[in-house]
Amino acid sequence: GAVVSQHPSWVICKSGTSVKIECRSLDFQATTMFWYRQFPKQSLMLMATSNEGSKATYEQGVEKDKFLINHASLTLSTLTVTSAHPEDSSFYICSADPEGTEGYTFGSGTRLTVV
Amino acid sequence: QKEVEQNSGPLSVPEGAIASLNCTYSDRGSQSFFWYRQYSGKSPELIMFIYSNGDKEDGRFTAQLNKASQYVSLLIRDSQPSDSATYLCAALGGTSYDKVIFGPGTSLSVIP
Repeated sequence: GAVVSQHPSWVICKSGTSVKIECRSLDFQATTMFWYRQFPKQSLMLMATSNEGSKATYEQGVEKDKFLINHASLTLSTLTVTSAHPEDSSFYICSADPEGTEGYTFGSGTRLTVV
Repeated sequence: QKEVEQNSGPLSVPEGAIASLNCTYSDRGSQSFFWYRQYSGKSPELIMFIYSNGDKEDGRFTAQLNKASQYVSLLIRDSQPSDSATYLCAALGGTSYDKVIFGPGTSLSVIP
């Protein structure tokens, strides 16, 4: 089946630093990927839609200058959390919609802790 | 108004019983609906999808959709302790176009 690989699985960083999260579609091409954030005991909140070769589309309330998204190829999207703060600590998950399948496939998620 | 709503639970059922999970959605244009299971600390995994009115069965799972009532449900027969997780209902289409909108999830606990 379609696999979305996400790295790293977890990361701890200091306040003010930047963290990059990668999301790869391993056996299919993804022109669109979705980035979600999930705080403890809450549901997934869509942050942005990553579009290959064009600018990402951000949801209302999500700072595009803080959460930089790059989708330079059909198999790779990256989310960079810039100048991270403790309130950015969360579970970040990417997903894609493989052609010919129903439902979105999720990456394994990245647990970000900012100290 | 939240676009996809679920009872947060927790819902507790004894092992072997039927677990019934419910979901309502507000966007009448939504076309496809999904049930995901999420274990603590893990990313969601797809259990069922449904886009036609009626029932859809897959093993121990049955999804039910009633578009007139804007209601989706998931039944889990012969519940097992390994079914204990949070179940997320999601809708696709309508004004959200190609975005999957998730409900808050229902926590299910299957008691041995």
